[in-house]
Amino acid sequence: KQEVTQIPAALSVPEGENLVLNCSFTDSAIYNLQWFRQDPGKGLTSLLLIQSSQREQTSGRLNASLDKSSGRSTLYIAASQPGDSATYLCAVRPDSNYQLIWGAGTKLIIKP
Amino acid sequence: NAGVTQTPKFQVLKTGQSMTLQCAQDMNHEYMSWYRQDPGMGLRLIHYSVGAGITDQGEVPNGYNVSRSTTEDFPLRLLSAAPSQTSVYFCASSYVGRSYEQYFGPGTRLTVT
Repeated sequence: KQEVTQIPAALSVPEGENLVLNCSFTDSAIYNLQWFRQDPGKGLTSLLLIQSSQREQTSGRLNASLDKSSGRSTLYIAASQPGDSATYLCAVRPDSNYQLIWGAGTKLIIKP
Repeated sequence: NAGVTQTPKFQVLKTGQSMTLQCAQDMNHEYMSWYRQDPGMGLRLIHYSVGAGITDQGEVPNGYNVSRSTTEDFPLRLLSAAPSQTSVYFCASSYVGRSYEQYFGPGTRLTVT
């Protein structure tokens, strides 16, 4: 059974730092992986989607990488800003079906 | 485009009451789904639909019903509310095809007393 883990559960860093969020999954038979952002009391916003054939995707200050063989993805945030404070979730889509399997998220706080 | 909309934003129910959470999207997406989000856990899929007239169960379907009579709407019905159904409920939609990203509504926070 596919399981998705995000460590740490919470992270607090000073503004301006570059940081990495981690996502690991137990079954490498995935179709794609998505990173989402969730602000308190709000819905989820898709940040990046990486297909299984891709190694990375970039959007602005965000870069997501995927290593299927090791069951890992990272989300790199460059030059962090207080507005980046949110919970970041990753989700994998298995090869076999439509469902997304979710991690519990990393709560990120950027201190001014 | 309004995207994915959900009503109500907040709801308090007593045990045993029934209600319907509404979800609508204006992007002509075939795929729609309902998730629940509980503290410290990932989102869990309740039901999903790949088009009008087609629905299927997700990971945690018990106590919930869905129907899909139009492409735009995908209501979630709680048949007899229980405290264990206290959660935040999210509706999501996308084009059919696993390559497509999902778009989420703002959520409904439900408390069952």
